[in-house]
Amino acid sequence: QSALTQPPSASGSVGQSVTISCTGTSSDVGGYNHVSWYQQHPGKVPKFMIYEVTKRPSGVPDRFSGSKSGNTASLTVSGLQAEDEADYYCSSYAGSNNWVFGGGTKLTVL
Amino acid sequence: QVQLVQSGAEVKKPGASVRVSCKASGYTFTDYYTHWVRQAPGQGLEWMGWVNPNSGNTNFAQKFQGRVTMTTDTSISTAYMELSRLRSDDTAVYFCARVPGGLAYYFDYWGQGTLVTVSS
Repeated sequence: QSALTQPPSASGSVGQSVTISCTGTSSDVGGYNHVSWYQQHPGKVPKFMIYEVTKRPSGVPDRFSGSKSGNTASLTVSGLQAEDEADYYCSSYAGSNNWVFGGGTKLTVL
Repeated sequence: QVQLVQSGAEVKKPGASVRVSCKASGYTFTDYYTHWVRQAPGQGLEWMGWVNPNSGNTNFAQKFQGRVTMTTDTSISTAYMELSRLRSDDTAVYFCARVPGGLAYYFDYWGQGTLVTVSS
């Protein structure tokens, strides 16, 4: 399986919104509503942020939202805060009991 | 509370094998699949495979087939990942993560990670 495609970097000012894309194929992102997103601060463990494309686990601020169109999923962070600066990874079920991650996006809060 | 506690850092020579453990607590171990994900230095996350503690069934990413073994010991709620014929590019932090059994496809809790260094 090939990794999902994410932009290497994204940025936004405090209070603004930023959207990170995650592009796959009809065999993964486009074929299932099983996209999830993870936040990872440097040297830390990934944190589960979004599942089933749009759902937020308890405790995740509603500033974080997910969507999908065709083979591309997106994570939007609204009202950016300094602590949102981190790496973000998408993941998708890829069929046949396989999963795949994106290459990651480094979000910088200006 | 849910915890996944992994074994400590390892240093191995090329060609050797490494086994990493992941001890679960705070939930019913057999209700969740254990997945393994690795992250090379400065790189992204890479999915390796999963083990079903109930059945012992496994599935691995094609890249690792033939070189990885994943097992569990349900009596001590522990999962194991063994990678053989290590190469320098296997140097990475290895994470275990749980996925709810049934129709769930996300990693909701992660272990703290185990650094495996492969060097001659």
